[in-house]
Amino acid sequence: EVQLVESGGGLVQPGRSLRLSCAASGFTFDDYAMHWVRQAPGKGLEWVSGISWNSGSIGYADSVKGRFTISRDNAKNSLYLQMNSLRAEDTALYYCAKAVSLEYSTPFDPWGQGTLVTVSS
Amino acid sequence: DIQMTQSPSSLSASVGDRVTITCRASQSISSYLNWYQQKPGKAPKLLIYAASSLQSGVPSRFSGSGSGTDFTLTISSLQPEDFATYYCQQSYSTPVFGPGTKVDIK
Repeated sequence: EVQLVESGGGLVQPGRSLRLSCAASGFTFDDYAMHWVRQAPGKGLEWVSGISWNSGSIGYADSVKGRFTISRDNAKNSLYLQMNSLRAEDTALYYCAKAVSLEYSTPFDPWGQGTLVTVSS
Repeated sequence: DIQMTQSPSSLSASVGDRVTITCRASQSISSYLNWYQQKPGKAPKLLIYAASSLQSGVPSRFSGSGSGTDFTLTISSLQPEDFATYYCQQSYSTPVFGPGTKVDIK
């Protein structure tokens, strides 16, 4: 069974940093692209970032470009999101999602249960 | 960037109703359109990919159609477990989600 377990969320002050992790199991991690998608409280889904199987293709939403960095460690079956210069508007539930193929511009299935990031002073 | 819109933003329906949700892209995305279902407090679930392909395990009452810029998700006979929010997403380029359509009980 495919499992994606996010961690690293929490309460952080504006301007500070946080690193999210996603531990993957139940599939061959380096055969698939991976993504981060967020959902602010009571709002819709917003794609944040994606990374291809070999980290050769990486993309970011304009809202996080230059502040967030996605990475993966295929040896550890793990996906990461380094979030710097956090803002109140980054407050959201952050989901890790598996792409259905090697490349990142594909459907997402499945999704983890999310980790909550709250940016507040 | 490609923008996605959905209509309606919400609808009320009864069990057994036929429900149709529309998604429109700001430019042609061929058939690179996916649909997700999200229930309260749960992660989204992929229902339909490539505009009309049913994801494994998804009931056949769900169907998708369209290409280019206009797409529809149809639930042929709404069941109690289908009350949820539905999102379209384009995978033609940098992923973008539609704003969602909430389906609730009439």
